[in-house]
Formats: sequence, structure tokens, C-alpha cells
Amino acid sequence: GEDVEQSLFLSVREGDSSVINCTYTDSSSTYLYWYKQEPGAGLQLLTYIFSNMDMKQDQRLTVLLNKKDKHLSLRIADTQTGDSAIYFCAEGLYNTDKLIFGTGTRLQVFP
Amino acid sequence: SQTIHQWPATLVQPVGSPLSLECTVEGTSNPNLYWYRQAAGRGLQLLFYSVGIGQISSEVPQNLSASRPQDRQFILSSKKLLLSDSGFYLCAWSVRRAYGYTFGSGTRLTVV
Repeated sequence: GEDVEQSLFLSVREGDSSVINCTYTDSSSTYLYWYKQEPGAGLQLLTYIFSNMDMKQDQRLTVLLNKKDKHLSLRIADTQTGDSAIYFCAEGLYNTDKLIFGTGTRLQVFP
Repeated sequence: SQTIHQWPATLVQPVGSPLSLECTVEGTSNPNLYWYRQAAGRGLQLLFYSVGIGQISSEVPQNLSASRPQDRQFILSSKKLLLSDSGFYLCAWSVRRAYGYTFGSGTRLTVV
């Protein structure tokens, strides 16, 4: 199937680390993405990882990929109130330009 | 630089009325174009995608249709809206898979 699953909610204290998890089902996916959606806005690409990588770090963001378990995670270090948003993972299916999006995780950051 | 424009930002339409949402892309040629719908509190559902002028693929059976009259223009339409058509509609484009999609700012449609 083409289901990408995420937990619906995550609540963290400002300054702590946030970890958002994603499970995808197509082992042939070549690119995996993380998008951020602020209220009432479109989606903004945060980062992506190629399927032959295990980890990618970009400032406060760390992406981990476990291809064996088809598990993707996004770690946000030193989470700020401005990080409050919905985060979507997405997988790029092999040999196609289609992306399959997860259900989204709503991150709430409290002081 | 590439930009994507989507309008209107919000729309309230009565049941049974027609719909036309427009999306245009600037700064790129021959992009792949996509229409997604996001229902309240839910994820993204791919409605249509297009790899070229006049080429439309529909992902789910529904009350909507899409057209691509020009290379960088993508239109989402309906002849008669249903209450279930309410949602947040997002247009997106891509040229290279590694870059993912670039999304427009979305249109919030409320059918009353």
C-alpha cells in the first residue's frame, strides 16, 4: 500500500528536543521529505534525505532514516515556539514524481 | 526565481454552485503540477497531477476536474459543489525529485 503514518500530536517544552516519527511502506522510495505547515499556510520544504543515507543534519534539524524498518524521524533541537506547526513526512515513489504524504504531526511548543 | 501563485485565498460558495481555482507558476518551464486537498484535521490527499499541457491524471473519483491550458497554469473546477468539497486546496509544482514540491499558499473553500 501507499500509507505513510505519523502520530497526530506532540507537545514539548521550549528548549527541549522534539522528535517526530514517520513510517512509510514503499521500500523503493528514493527520496524522503519533511515539510512544515504553519496555520492557514501552504507547506514549506524543511529538508529531504536520499534513501542511501542514514542521517542528515541541517542546523537544528536532524533526519534519521532506518531503511530496514522504513522509519524516518525528524529531530528539532532547542525547540522554539516558532516551531509550533504541523509537520508532514513524504516519500517519493520510485520512478515517479509523485509524493505520498503522511497524516501530519501537530507540534505544540509550550513555555 | 520560481514562484507559485494560487487564488483566491478564501472562498465561500453555496452548494450546487460552480468552482474555479487557479494556480500559476513563474520562473520555470514544463513543471509537474499538482492539486491536493487537506480536509480539516487531516492529511493531504492528491487530487490531480499533470506532467504537461492537456495531460491530467486523476487520483480519486470525485466531483472535481482539473485542466492545464498552458504550461504554467493549472485550474481546479467543479460544475456543482457539494458540502464534502469543503477543505484547504493546495497547488504545488516540481521539476526535480530531489527538490521535492513547492506549494502555493492554499485556498480555503467552505461550501455552505
